[in-house]
Amino acid sequence: SYVLTQPPSVSVAPGQTARITCGGNNIGSKSVHWYQQKPGQAPVLVVYDDTDRPSGIPERFSGSNSGNTATLTISRVEAGDEADYYCQVWDSSSDHPSGVFGGGTKLTVL
Amino acid sequence: EVQLVESGGGLVKPGGSLRLSCAASGVTFSSYTMNWVRQAPGKGLEWVSLISSRNTYIYYADSVKGRFTISRDNAKNSLYLQMNSLRDEDTAVYYCASKGSGSQSPFEFWGQGTLVIVSS
Repeated sequence: SYVLTQPPSVSVAPGQTARITCGGNNIGSKSVHWYQQKPGQAPVLVVYDDTDRPSGIPERFSGSNSGNTATLTISRVEAGDEADYYCQVWDSSSDHPSGVFGGGTKLTVL
Repeated sequence: EVQLVESGGGLVKPGGSLRLSCAASGVTFSSYTMNWVRQAPGKGLEWVSLISSRNTYIYYADSVKGRFTISRDNAKNSLYLQMNSLRDEDTAVYYCASKGSGSQSPFEFWGQGTLVIVSS
């Protein structure tokens, strides 16, 4: 089965840039989606198809994907960005498609 | 405004059964592939199952295959998950989530989740 690897935690000061990586074998050939989850809340889609933002998501959130690593970049980090972030792809390597999530990264705003 | 509202969670003994429901509003329910995603306490997200818009195809994670059954009623804008032979490790918040028809589409909208606790 396909495995996505994320760092458990990332810390950044307010106003700085946070980069959260998501590693997977040839992940650059897949569409990567990113979700933000705050404590006690459901996940929210913040980036889809590697680089696109849903309506209502600030331009500070951006994504990239190449080779074996996808990256979620949050510019000008705010206290309200503190949350868990998950990357996700669809894996079709077995006899049926499966949703695959990374283990999640806790973003701490110092 | 899209709303997905799950219900049916609760406490159940190992080996028992439970049926979850997800009611959709503000969206053309019959156009979306629907999914169940779960999250064990303090853990990450795990995809559980999906059902296509017209019931054409259904898939399950290996961890629930043979024990869980996903279904939908487009006339009632509702999604269901019948969970049988429940195990301790099935304890989690269960979310329903909509997905576009594209094979690699994201989980666009999520419900607030319903908690299932499997314990004796």
